[in-house]
Amino acid sequence: GQNIDQPTEMTATEGAIVQINCTYQTSGFNGLFWYQQHAGEAPTFLSYNVLDGLEEKGRFSSFLSRSKGYSYLLLKELQMKDSASYLCAVETGGFKTIFGAGTRLFVKA
Amino acid sequence: DGGITQSPKYLFRKEGQNVTLSCEQNLNHDAMYWYRQDPGQGLRLIYYSQIVNDFQKGDIAEGYSVSREKKESFPLTVTSAQKNPTAFYLCASSGTDYTEAFFGQGTRLTVV
Repeated sequence: GQNIDQPTEMTATEGAIVQINCTYQTSGFNGLFWYQQHAGEAPTFLSYNVLDGLEEKGRFSSFLSRSKGYSYLLLKELQMKDSASYLCAVETGGFKTIFGAGTRLFVKA
Repeated sequence: DGGITQSPKYLFRKEGQNVTLSCEQNLNHDAMYWYRQDPGQGLRLIYYSQIVNDFQKGDIAEGYSVSREKKESFPLTVTSAQKNPTAFYLCASSGTDYTEAFFGQGTRLTVV
């Protein structure tokens, strides 16, 4: 079967660093996405990893290890507006993308 | 401005009625998708279309139908055969040169 696992919820403090993990087992793999979704809104794209390693984009970084079926999203200098759900998704091929259930991040003052 | 538009944002229907959700994009994207999102669950793929006049079933297509008569439009019909239609529905599109998906604002369907 196809499976993407993420923690359900995390809490962190404003200004801190948080790492959201994602493990996956899928029948195919073309790349891994991270999306941010605020409650009741559309997901917005954060990052896309195809090769192993770390991709840095401002306060957000994403890491991928294809051999381990593992990725993480690193958020630095947390702000209150970062409180949202973070969705890990795997593009399995043929325009199909499978999403995890998402991690709800609460940022507290 | 380029984007993807879903309408309406909120929709109420009586049980047993079919309902059609609209999705339009002006991004010139070939691929379009419909996802369903339930509380505590990830996005689940209902249908997707890579090209006009062609579409494929996703993981939870039962009780749903789509059409792709124009590149810009990919409407989703929730039929009375769908046993639990109350959910948040998201439409998305992507181009062939880059697989990032752009999402509409979603339609929250409530069936009473």
